[in-house]
Amino acid sequence: EPEVTQTPSHQVTQMGQEVILRCVPISNHLYFYWYRQILGQKVEFLVSFYNNEISEKSEIFDDQFSVERPDGSNFTLKIRSTKLEDSAMYFCATKAGTAQYFGPGTRLTVT
Amino acid sequence: EDQVTQSPEALRLQEGESSSLNCSYTVSGLRGLFWYRQDPGKGPEFLFTLYSAGEEKEKERLKATLTKKESFLHITAPKPEDSATYLCAVQALSYSGSARQLTFGSGTQLTVLP
Repeated sequence: EPEVTQTPSHQVTQMGQEVILRCVPISNHLYFYWYRQILGQKVEFLVSFYNNEISEKSEIFDDQFSVERPDGSNFTLKIRSTKLEDSAMYFCATKAGTAQYFGPGTRLTVT
Repeated sequence: EDQVTQSPEALRLQEGESSSLNCSYTVSGLRGLFWYRQDPGKGPEFLFTLYSAGEEKEKERLKATLTKKESFLHITAPKPEDSATYLCAVQALSYSGSARQLTFGSGTQLTVLP
């Protein structure tokens, strides 16, 4: 069964550094999302992406964040200057019909 | 603003002891209500989508139902492998159509004891 994959599984970075989280969507899916989950808290929406542009973004998704689909297959989330409060699990999700299918996540630890 | 509230926060059952999890929601117009299962350190795993009041979906020991204000996830004769956090999420109708985000509840952490 096709799955969403994410790399890396765990990323440790220092405050102020840039990180790029990568996602490979399920092949025929056209809608892409990033969510995050701070330890012990709800899954929170960051951004949705369709037809090579952002469809929606939350208040969390400020100028420090960006998304792109650089090569038609990968879907990336970039955080330009990480803060301690960016530490969380970041999930990519993709959709073709109605349900969003989530990847295994990248655990980002900012020190 | 869309809101999802799940109860109880945690539930411990003996193997074979059936129960229900509750998801109450407030949304401007419901496009769909989703149930996911999440194991520790993993991504949410899709279980069901419900679209309108009165709809029911079943999968193995799980059955999801929907009213205009809440959804229930009924677990019949659970087994230890059903232990996980069960998440409810809603998708609202909006101008952005199918790309609309999911709004999640905090989840119910289910433990099934052998």
